[in-house]
Amino acid sequence: AQSVTQPDIHITVSEGASLELRCNYSYGATPYLFWYVQSPGQGLQLLLKYFSGDTLVQGIKGFEAEFKRSQSSFNLRKPSVHWSDAAEYFCAVGTAGYALNFGKGTSLLVTP
Amino acid sequence: NAGVTQTPKFQVLKTGQSMTLQCAQDMNHNSMYWYRQDPGMGLRLIYYSASEGTTDKGEVPNGYNVSRLNKREFSLRLESAAPSQTSVYFCASSGDRGLYEQYFGPGTRLTVT
Repeated sequence: AQSVTQPDIHITVSEGASLELRCNYSYGATPYLFWYVQSPGQGLQLLLKYFSGDTLVQGIKGFEAEFKRSQSSFNLRKPSVHWSDAAEYFCAVGTAGYALNFGKGTSLLVTP
Repeated sequence: NAGVTQTPKFQVLKTGQSMTLQCAQDMNHNSMYWYRQDPGMGLRLIYYSASEGTTDKGEVPNGYNVSRLNKREFSLRLESAAPSQTSVYFCASSGDRGLYEQYFGPGTRLTVT
């Protein structure tokens, strides 16, 4: 079955520093991959998605992610983090019935 | 547009009580989903409805039932609540123009004592 692993439970970065959140997937064919963000007490918002084509995808809020088939990875990056980026980030893979299989999430803390 | 709405926002139940969580979307989406979110577990799919009139089990369906009332509404019922069902419940929907691109409601925080 399709699954995703987010190896980092918590990550702390300084405001203005670069960010990379890791995501590894398990899937036989080309997966549909997503990154969602959840601010405290809120629902989830789609940051970006990968279906096919260009392996570097751009999303909202200045985020990007790169699909690497050889490494089974879909890591999320941002060149300069803002305090408002502090949130929970979820990687997900598409599965049956257009449902999503989510990773367990990475909590991002941004320090001044 | 309101997007995806969920009621109630908060609920406390005693063990054995029943309740229904309501979800509605105004985006004319075909597919709707119910997830539960627990600390350290991410979101897990309970049930989904790929189209009006169909429902299917997800990863953790035990103890829940669903009804796709019409294209807009998808309810989740707990017949006999258990403490293990304490969680935050999210409803989501997706449409033809963006299959898999799910739009989430704000969630229902349920506590079962």
